[in-house]
Amino acid sequence: EPEVTQTPSHQVTQMGQEVILRCVPISNHLYFYWYRQILGQKVEFLVSFYNNEISEKSEIFDDQFSVERPDGSNFTLKIRSTKLEDSAMYFCASKGQINEKLFFGSGTQLSVL
Amino acid sequence: DQQVKQNSPSLSVQEGRISILNCDYTNSMFDYFLWYKKYPAEGPTFLISISSIKDKNEDGRFTVFLNKSAKHLSLHIVPSQPGDSAVYFCAARLTSGSRLTFGEGTQLTVNP
Repeated sequence: EPEVTQTPSHQVTQMGQEVILRCVPISNHLYFYWYRQILGQKVEFLVSFYNNEISEKSEIFDDQFSVERPDGSNFTLKIRSTKLEDSAMYFCASKGQINEKLFFGSGTQLSVL
Repeated sequence: DQQVKQNSPSLSVQEGRISILNCDYTNSMFDYFLWYKKYPAEGPTFLISISSIKDKNEDGRFTVFLNKSAKHLSLHIVPSQPGDSAVYFCAARLTSGSRLTFGEGTQLTVNP
């Protein structure tokens, strides 16, 4: 079965540093998402992306966050200046058509020290 | 965000028996409900879903029941197998393109 690929699997960074989390969605998919799960908490929606623009974002997704699909295959999440509370597992997800199921990647565990 | 709630953090059942995982929601505008399964070090994997216009959907050993008046859904797994041991998330969405709102998850352990 096709997979959503996320790199790296673990990222450790210092508070205030910029991080970029990378995702390769399934190749013919059109809808892209980032979710995150802070340890012991729910999986939370961050942002959805379609047709090269953000279609929906949550209150978590403030000015420190941005997403990009730079080359037609990668989908990235950038956190400009990381905070301790950004430590979480970040999941990328994609789907082909709007009514199809969502495929998730294995996640990037971000640790902000 | 308490719109989707799974009140049982864990459930333990014997192999071959039925597993029943429960989920409650508060937003009557949700139109679609999904169950995802998650193994350690993996992302959530879609399991089964149900539209708000139905009350039951079945796929092999998995059946989801929706009680709209009670704002409650449940996932039945029968017979349960040790490989079903995972965290199960209930999720809901408002419209076809919108975000998923997840519950807290229930850790299911199926004992051989």
